[in-house]
Amino acid sequence: EVQLLVSGGGLTEPGGSLRLSCGVSGITLNLYAMSWVRQAPGKGLQWVSSISSGGVTYYADSVKGRFTISRDTSKNTVSLQLNSLRAEDTAVYYCASRYGLYFDYWGQGTLVTVSS
Amino acid sequence: QTVVTQEPSFSVSPGGTVTLTCGLKSGSVSTNFYPSWYQQTPGQAPRTLIYNTNTRSSGVPDRFSGSILGNKAALTITGAQADDESDYYCVLYMGSGVSVFGGGTKVTVL
Repeated sequence: EVQLLVSGGGLTEPGGSLRLSCGVSGITLNLYAMSWVRQAPGKGLQWVSSISSGGVTYYADSVKGRFTISRDTSKNTVSLQLNSLRAEDTAVYYCASRYGLYFDYWGQGTLVTVSS
Repeated sequence: QTVVTQEPSFSVSPGGTVTLTCGLKSGSVSTNFYPSWYQQTPGQAPRTLIYNTNTRSSGVPDRFSGSILGNKAALTITGAQADDESDYYCVLYMGSGVSVFGGGTKVTVL
């Protein structure tokens, strides 16, 4: 059974930083790409970032230069470092796996709130 | 900036059929965008329904089907049930690792 367990959300001030983690079981990161998708309160889903099975990283324009996706294949975890946070980054952040060009397994979300 | 369009809302009667569409503000959607569809109920993580245009994800009932209709991707629910009342999102793969979500369609079954 595939499980994605997300942790690390919370409240921070504008300009602050947070680190999200996604613990993965049931799949191997060397074979799967992983992504982060977010959802602002009352809004739709938005792709944020992906890391390929080969370790290549991709970012939405809105987070490029501020967020960094990484993975630890030995621990089977994927992380998202969120820097220079803005109020508009407030959202539930989901971790999702990608075997093809779609999101197949989803973790539960973690809420990131950016507010002074 | 790529904009993926979806109808904001749809209403369907129990047992009825509804077709949701997923288009591009500029251009046509084809299988080359590998359209996928996701269902989300409030407070829950999304659930994968359809990928690669028309392949149902494991465990998804066959009342859900995907296709290309004209210049858009489409999700059809045939024989709608009460628990199909959800938000539905399409995603198009734009290449270079980039995926774009549509704005979502709220489906009401009544």
